[in-house]
Amino acid sequence: GAVVSQHPSWVICKSGTSVKIECRSLDFQATTMFWYRQFPKQSLMLMATSNEGSKATYEQGVEKDKFLINHASLTLSTLTVTSAHPEDSSFYICSAAARFSYNEQFFGPGTRLTVL
Amino acid sequence: AQSVTQPDIHITVSEGASLELRCNYSYGATPYLFWYVQSPGQGLQLLLKYSSGDTLVQGIKGFEAEFKRSQSSFNLRKPSVHWSDAAEYFCAVAGTGTASKLTFGTGTRLQVTL
Repeated sequence: GAVVSQHPSWVICKSGTSVKIECRSLDFQATTMFWYRQFPKQSLMLMATSNEGSKATYEQGVEKDKFLINHASLTLSTLTVTSAHPEDSSFYICSAAARFSYNEQFFGPGTRLTVL
Repeated sequence: AQSVTQPDIHITVSEGASLELRCNYSYGATPYLFWYVQSPGQGLQLLLKYSSGDTLVQGIKGFEAEFKRSQSSFNLRKPSVHWSDAAEYFCAVAGTGTASKLTFGTGTRLQVTL
């Protein structure tokens, strides 16, 4: 149980285009979803926290207009990288928390974004 | 603010040898502590977690960790390493409260020699 999926697993896009990444909790309802960014050989940096039906809370230094987060339901959150540029290339990982898990987060497999 | 320090960036051990990965945390109250493992290009898998109670925590794949409040540490151990344990290991801390934010350490890359 407590499986989180991400789609797509990898994506290549041209500079200036927008890319949407989906994060789904497959077998539970997620009260909160988190989006992380990971550069090669580095740790995970929290980008934003989102709760279903409310606006996401972004970490300091993360551009809200650049990284749009929508948490449409208790099982789906999306991250849209708008007008992507090569410096946005990274590994994006989502996680989900549920009431039954208290503060344990369940992680998705990640999405590799490459912007040409 | 909470923080995690993993002093060792890279560790190499021989297969069959014992392993200890260090983790020190900073948090004002009793923390929730986690160890995750990440294989290249993959997401994170939870190895074990500490929330309260017994300070020696058993996890999956033969790993264990000991919470030492006096030293603000939560070191990960395994008595005999297998080649498949080669990966990146992250220690993380969360505060109390549902769905608290996780703060990760910088990670330790484990290499296993045959």
